Amino acid sequence: QQQVKQSPQSLIVQKGGISIINCAYENTAFDYFPWYQQFPGKGPALLIAIRPDVSEKKEGRFTISFNKSAKQFSLHIMDSQPGDSATYFCAASSSFYGGSQGNLIFGKGTKLSVKP
Amino acid sequence: DAGVIQSPRHEVTEMGQEVTLRCKPISGHDYLFWYRQTMMRGLELLIYFNNNVPIDDSGMPEDRFSAKMPNASFSTLKIQPSEPRDSAVYFCASGEGLSYEQYFGPGTRLTVT
Repeated sequence: QQQVKQSPQSLIVQKGGISIINCAYENTAFDYFPWYQQFPGKGPALLIAIRPDVSEKKEGRFTISFNKSAKQFSLHIMDSQPGDSATYFCAASSSFYGGSQGNLIFGKGTKLSVKP
Repeated sequence: DAGVIQSPRHEVTEMGQEVTLRCKPISGHDYLFWYRQTMMRGLELLIYFNNNVPIDDSGMPEDRFSAKMPNASFSTLKIQPSEPRDSAVYFCASGEGLSYEQYFGPGTRLTVT
């Protein structure tokens, strides 16, 4: 019940296309859903995050869509660029699990390659 | 701010040796997390601290692993004795109170031969 399932494992998109990465969870106590971007040799960096009181959040070319009833959320990258090539991780957390911040449960990651 | 600082960036050691990884969190952050990343298991939370106090160490794989946070600006993760299966990238992350946001360091790539 603590798992976050992420798909696909890898994704190849042409420059200018839309990249879509999906995640699903089971634990309804989760109340924070971030996406992290990781370049080779670097640590994950927070990209965008959403809470379940909204269904969509957009920041530049990056959008999170959230479906509370289906317990799913997805990352959309519009006008994908070669510089977006990285590994993307979804995650989920709940303030229920200790302290006020809680643990982040990460998906397995999606390796995105954007072809020029 | 310089971000989360980790040292060393790379560590190669022989099986049985003690390994100490170090982390300096972002100033003002009251949460500190240690993660391990491998191809097989992905990103795993090992332990996290709040105000220098360990809150949850259920992710620490064995008694060979220990972590300390003697003050707000320094934490260590120690493996003694190290084994080849400990080879991974170890990340430290810090965060602030209610924000839920975690900021990761560059990681330490550990290789145990």
